[in-house]
Amino acid sequence: KQEVTQIPAALSVPEGENLVLNCSFTDSAIYNLQWFRQDPGKGLTSLLLIQSSQREQTSGRLNASLDKSSGRSTLYIAASQPGDSATYLCAVPPGGGADGLTFGKGTHLIIQP
Amino acid sequence: NAGVMQNPRHLVRRRGQEARLRCSPMKGHSHVYWYRQLPEEGLKFMVYLQKENIIDESGMPKERFSAEFPKEGPSILRIQQVVRGDSAAYFCASSRTGPQGTQYFGPGTRLLVL
Repeated sequence: KQEVTQIPAALSVPEGENLVLNCSFTDSAIYNLQWFRQDPGKGLTSLLLIQSSQREQTSGRLNASLDKSSGRSTLYIAASQPGDSATYLCAVPPGGGADGLTFGKGTHLIIQP
Repeated sequence: NAGVMQNPRHLVRRRGQEARLRCSPMKGHSHVYWYRQLPEEGLKFMVYLQKENIIDESGMPKERFSAEFPKEGPSILRIQQVVRGDSAAYFCASSRTGPQGTQYFGPGTRLLVL
């Protein structure tokens, strides 16, 4: 059964810092990995999707890397801004078993102005 | 192209009543997924449907919960005889291809059971 863990659970940093969010998964037979952002009381916004054949994916100030063999992904946020404050979730699709995404519990990020 | 739509956004029910949550997938998407987010918990998969068929309901409680995705109209998640423990945010997602394609999420329905 796939398990996804995100570290840290919460992070508070001053504006302008570069930061790294971590995601690990137990079953490395994944098809892809997706990072989402969730704002309080809102739905999920897809940030980046990395296919299993890719090592990284970039979108603006965000860069996500994937190391399947070690079961890890990182989300790098450059030059953080207060608007980046949100909960960041990583999720992997099924390799077998249930057909829904398996989510981590998220990293609650606060960027201090 | 409108995103995934869910309604209502907020729903209040008393114990024992029924809750019906609706989800309209993105245009061109025939795969729908329902997830539940309990307070202080992560999102948990409930059920995966493809037009008129339930493909996987392994994450859905065996009793009181049901889901459908008819040929016409939105997908419906139905909770009968709600209990306080059903209070949660329920999210719907859709994809163009199967579960290993990108899933796009709706804004969620927040259910409160009094």
